[in-house]
Amino acid sequence: KNEVEQSPQNLTAQEGEFITINCSYSVGISALHWLQQHPGGGIVSLFMLSSGKKKHGRLIATINIQEKHSSLHITASHPRDSAVYICAVGANTGNQFYFGTGTSLTVIP
Amino acid sequence: GAGVSQSPSNKVTEKGKDVELRCDPISGHTALYWYRQSLGQGLEFLIYFQGNSAPDKSGLPSDRFSAERTGGSVSTLTIQRTQQEDSAVYLCASSLAQGWGQYFGPGTRLTVT
Repeated sequence: KNEVEQSPQNLTAQEGEFITINCSYSVGISALHWLQQHPGGGIVSLFMLSSGKKKHGRLIATINIQEKHSSLHITASHPRDSAVYICAVGANTGNQFYFGTGTSLTVIP
Repeated sequence: GAGVSQSPSNKVTEKGKDVELRCDPISGHTALYWYRQSLGQGLEFLIYFQGNSAPDKSGLPSDRFSAERTGGSVSTLTIQRTQQEDSAVYLCASSLAQGWGQYFGPGTRLTVT
């Protein structure tokens, strides 16, 4: 049983396309994180959110607490956006974190 | 300012040996997390420190794994009697407090031969 499910697992897009990555979770959460892992392995935290919507540049993250669902959108995608995007949730009981298996995004010029 | 640093960046050890992995969090961050990412798998939570509270060890896979955090700053993850299945990238992250965004270190790649 996976507490966090992401879709799609793999995604290839043409430069400029609008991209959506989805995350569903089954546990009560204190916060949801979107992480970016580049091919070199480094991990960057993109967003942490517990309600509503956040925007940073071309990236937008939304969360619906009632539906236990979050989406990460990338507008005007660029090859440098190619990375693995990981959804993670911090449970609201205890300190456990649960991670999705990631979405591998490739943006083709 | 300086981010989260980890050392060594790479470690190759023989099966059965003990290893220590170090994490230097961002100054002032009270929360510190250890994760690992095994080949072909996702991130796995290991242990969490918050200030001077007792750590949450619920993610440690076996009693061969332990971690400590001295003075609320530097943390060391120790793996005793390493096994080949311990081979993974071990990641450390810190945040201002629980519930705040986490900053990840570059990781330590452990290979057990």
